[in-house]
Amino acid sequence: ETAVFQTPNYHVTQVGNEVSFNCKQTLGHDTMYWYKQDSKKLLKIMFSYNNKQLIVNETVPRRFSPQSSDKAHLNLRIKSVEPEDSAVYLCASSYRVGQDTQYFGPGTRLLVL
Amino acid sequence: GEQVEQRPPHLSVREGDSAFITCTYTDPNSYYFFWYKQEPGASLQLLMKVFSSTEINEGQGFTVLLNKKDKRLSLNLTAAHPGDSAAYFCAVRGTGGYKVVFGSGTRLLVSP
Repeated sequence: ETAVFQTPNYHVTQVGNEVSFNCKQTLGHDTMYWYKQDSKKLLKIMFSYNNKQLIVNETVPRRFSPQSSDKAHLNLRIKSVEPEDSAVYLCASSYRVGQDTQYFGPGTRLLVL
Repeated sequence: GEQVEQRPPHLSVREGDSAFITCTYTDPNSYYFFWYKQEPGASLQLLMKVFSSTEINEGQGFTVLLNKKDKRLSLNLTAAHPGDSAAYFCAVRGTGGYKVVFGSGTRLLVSP
């Protein structure tokens, strides 16, 4: 049963464009995450929000910015995409920070031409 | 901060064989451990969550071992079948900060 929703599923764009990805969870969780998964399946945490507060902000290029309107939504904007941004972006949520199971969305696959 | 190393990156076994995946971590006070499974084209799903107090954890068709002395977390798929073909990720919650640190993943292929 899907409870973490991501849109779009796929996005193809050109270098220099701006893209936005949306994530919504219906589990009532307090914490949400954005991960980047590259072509080798390597999973890297990018950002984490707890109750709309940014709590984890890894070293990512400044063109990436998360946006949270409420604790059920966490969006990701990439301003001026680069070829190395091509990846699958996974959103996840958990009841509390760190210690709980994370529930992952289906991912958004980004291809930058 | 916590660092997690997962081995092997690729594993190929025959149906009915065991598949063994190991993660080593650095923070001796880590207390939550996770194994996730990612089937082809799908997202990650939890296989098992383990607390630091339990060293042997039995699941359906697999066992998770936690060796705190060696700081090693292992997943043993007993009698693997083709449906087990997937990427497997360990994750460890250390004591510093809020992060759960993921291993680099193991791609398992189980052939008939």
